Formats: sequence, structure tokens, C-alpha cells
Amino acid sequence: SAVISQKPSRDICQRGTSLTIQCQVDSQVTMMFWYRQQPGQSLTLIATANQGSEATYESGFVIDKFPISRPNLTFSTLTVSNMSPEDSSIYLCSVDRGDNEQFFGPGTRLTVL
Amino acid sequence: EDQVTQSPEALRLQEGESSSLNCSYTVSGLRGLFWYRQDPGKGPEFLFTLYSAGEEKEKERLKATLTKKESFLHITAPKPEDSATYLCAVYGQNFVFGPGTRLSVLP
Repeated sequence: SAVISQKPSRDICQRGTSLTIQCQVDSQVTMMFWYRQQPGQSLTLIATANQGSEATYESGFVIDKFPISRPNLTFSTLTVSNMSPEDSSIYLCSVDRGDNEQFFGPGTRLTVL
Repeated sequence: EDQVTQSPEALRLQEGESSSLNCSYTVSGLRGLFWYRQDPGKGPEFLFTLYSAGEEKEKERLKATLTKKESFLHITAPKPEDSATYLCAVYGQNFVFGPGTRLSVLP
């Protein structure tokens, strides 16, 4: 498995502001992903964070709203931009070490007022 | 489009009462089916990966099986600490999660 940490663990933000979430892994990994889990629902993939190139976004998610950085093989950030209450959710990063098994961080619980 | 459904949505068991959770899927080119456990307020915890029909994996009181259309997570003699949401996910063209089954095991 991999040890994954996320910062912050939770935050309460005002609408119209932006929040950057950090994901740190204890070892180098090829694939990193960002998910959203809305209250009472399952996980939805936002994007794949690619090292050295732009992230690959899933349908319904755009770079202007969710810019992602991946400066190296152990770190990634997800920014939730111009937030609205509908962005209130848990945001999770995960890693795949190359064997298709994904391991998840503890999540960031975001509340937008 | 890859799809995953899970049943039941919620399940309440008495301690020691064995049961099974179902994950049905439609995927073009299955590269793996995954089971996770998620406790409230935490990220999903990896349990199993299954790659081909007929494959089975076990861990403590849990056993996962796979056919060409569905997977089962069998829970034998569950304990209250097994209470959690169990998520199934498939990896075909994309990684797609099912809605989960909320399991409650009562002492």
C-alpha cells in the first residue's frame, strides 16, 4: 500500500473564493487521481493528474474550475475555484502504483457557505 | 459507457448472521474489479482486486467472487466492526465506482 496525506483535512469557505488541496504520497507513483464524493453519494472521478503535462479531466469537469498541478511523482494539488455551495463535498486523492489498485487519502471535507 | 450498480442499498445484520453484497457491472474490456470499505469521514480502504471470472479472494471474514456480469462480497459471521459502506469499482475505459452498500452489524 501507500501512505497518502491530504491538507487541509477540512475547511469552511465563502462562496466566490478558491481553495487548494494538497496530496502527498510517501513514495513515487505514476498515476494520481482526484475524486469528489458528494454527501451520501459514491465517488466521481474529477481528473487524472499527470506528471509533466496537463491533467486529464472527466466529462463534466473543466480545468478552469478545478486546476490541478503535479510537479513531481509524490505530490499533487487540486484547486476548487470560484466556489459555490454546490462544491461542498469530500475531495479525495488516490494513487495507482502501476498495478491498477488505487489507494486513497483520508479526504478533504469542504463546506462552502 | 461503463456502469456499476450495487445491491442492497443498505443491509442490517445481527452479529454472526452471514450474508452477501452484490455488484453488477457493464464494462467494455474489464481490467479489474475492486472492493473497498469506507468508514464515515474517511477515504476508501482497499480490500480486493479481481481480474477474471471465477477468481476468488479472501481476507478474514470477507470473500470476494467474480463472474462475467457481477461480483459478490460474502461476509461470514460478521462483527459490529464490519459496519461500513462497501464500494465496488470497475476499471474498463475508466475507473467507475458503484453507489455502495451501507452495512450495519448489530451486536
